Amino acid sequence: DQQVKQNSPSLSVQEGRISILNCDYTNSMFDYFLWYKKYPAEGPTFLISISSIKDKNEDGRFTVFLNKSAKHLSLHIVPSQPGDSAVYFCAASPGYSSASKIIFGSGTRLSIRP
Amino acid sequence: EAGVTQSPTHLIKTRGQQATLRCSPISGHTSVYWYQQALGLGLQFLLWYDEGEERNRGNFPPRFSGRQFPNYSSELNVNALELEDSALYLCASSLGGGQRELYSNQPQHFGDGTRLSIL
Repeated sequence: DQQVKQNSPSLSVQEGRISILNCDYTNSMFDYFLWYKKYPAEGPTFLISISSIKDKNEDGRFTVFLNKSAKHLSLHIVPSQPGDSAVYFCAASPGYSSASKIIFGSGTRLSIRP
Repeated sequence: EAGVTQSPTHLIKTRGQQATLRCSPISGHTSVYWYQQALGLGLQFLLWYDEGEERNRGNFPPRFSGRQFPNYSSELNVNALELEDSALYLCASSLGGGQRELYSNQPQHFGDGTRLSIL
């Protein structure tokens, strides 16, 4: 049973347009959410996070939206750039209880086309 | 600042053998986490070490084990290797305890992984 789901294994977006990556979760105990970006042959790098007390967090071109009632979060990248082509992992955690409880989604491969 | 380093980059073993993977955390980090990323799956939590002790483990059989050394580096050992153990194994580190790091701007920092192939 996947507690964190990224239902789109891949996404192709034109350069300059908005990329929207989606993530759904099932565990209502999750209260901290993260996005990681992974290039081939490299480890994931932290991108942006949001705690459940917020519904939006913005960092430059990256914005994460959280809809707690729908148990859904999304990552918006605007404008999309070629260097954004990577696999994006959504992750969720019950927060303060234990860092080791972070659950990752299976990832979405984002391709930015010229 | 040096990041999390893992060795070896690639490891090829046969069924039944034993594998040892190594991880050096970022200087000052005392927590080390191990994850498995099998093909098509997300990152699966394996083990968490903090201050030399195993704090938590994921849903993996006992043949997955490890340890953390006094310098906070860590080893992951996989005994009696099976074909399905073929995966990318990622190590991550954070400041001690792990919890505080969750609310900072930079959570766990990952290494580039060891790709373990079982023939």
